[in-house]
Amino acid sequence: EPEVTQTPSHQVTQMGQEVILRCVPISNHLYFYWYRQILGQKVEFLVSFYNNEISEKSEIFDDQFSVERPDGSNFTLKIRSTKLEDSAMYFCASSAGQGTYNEQFFGPGTRLTVL
Amino acid sequence: GESVGLHLPTLSVQEGDNSIINCAYSNSASDYFIWYKQESGKGPQFIIDIRSNMDKRQGQRVTVLLNKTVKHLSLQIAATQPGDSAVYFCAASAGYSTLTFGKGTMLLVSP
Repeated sequence: EPEVTQTPSHQVTQMGQEVILRCVPISNHLYFYWYRQILGQKVEFLVSFYNNEISEKSEIFDDQFSVERPDGSNFTLKIRSTKLEDSAMYFCASSAGQGTYNEQFFGPGTRLTVL
Repeated sequence: GESVGLHLPTLSVQEGDNSIINCAYSNSASDYFIWYKQESGKGPQFIIDIRSNMDKRQGQRVTVLLNKTVKHLSLQIAATQPGDSAVYFCAASAGYSTLTFGKGTMLLVSP
């Protein structure tokens, strides 16, 4: 069964450093998403991406964040200068169709720890 | 804005019991709802969804009930099994807007 994969599973970084979280969405999916989940809290939407551009982004997704689809398979989330409060699980998701009426398949997540 | 919350942080049941997990939402424009299961160390897994033009939808061992009058939905799991132990949370959206997630209820199933 096709699945979304994410690497690394755990990333530890120093405050102020740049990190890139990587995702490989399901191959025939066209819509891609990043979410984050701070420990013990809700899953929060960060950004959606379609046709090589951002479709929608939340208030969390400020200038420190960027997304990219550098090739036909990868979808990345970059945090330019990490802060302590960026420590969270980051989930990538993909869907075949547009928006929330189409099931989003989530990856296993990357745990980001900022020291 | 939308807020979605759950009534109980932890629900403990015996194997074979039926489980009911509840969720309230605040945005009356919400028209699409999803229940997710999240096991430890894994991403959210879709369980079942329902649109606002329905008040009940059944899947395999799961049923979602939607009460738009009081802005409440529930997930019922029949004959709960130890493998059902996980965090369950609901998510809601209005139209094609982004999903807003609830915090989650931990379901603990004892053999």
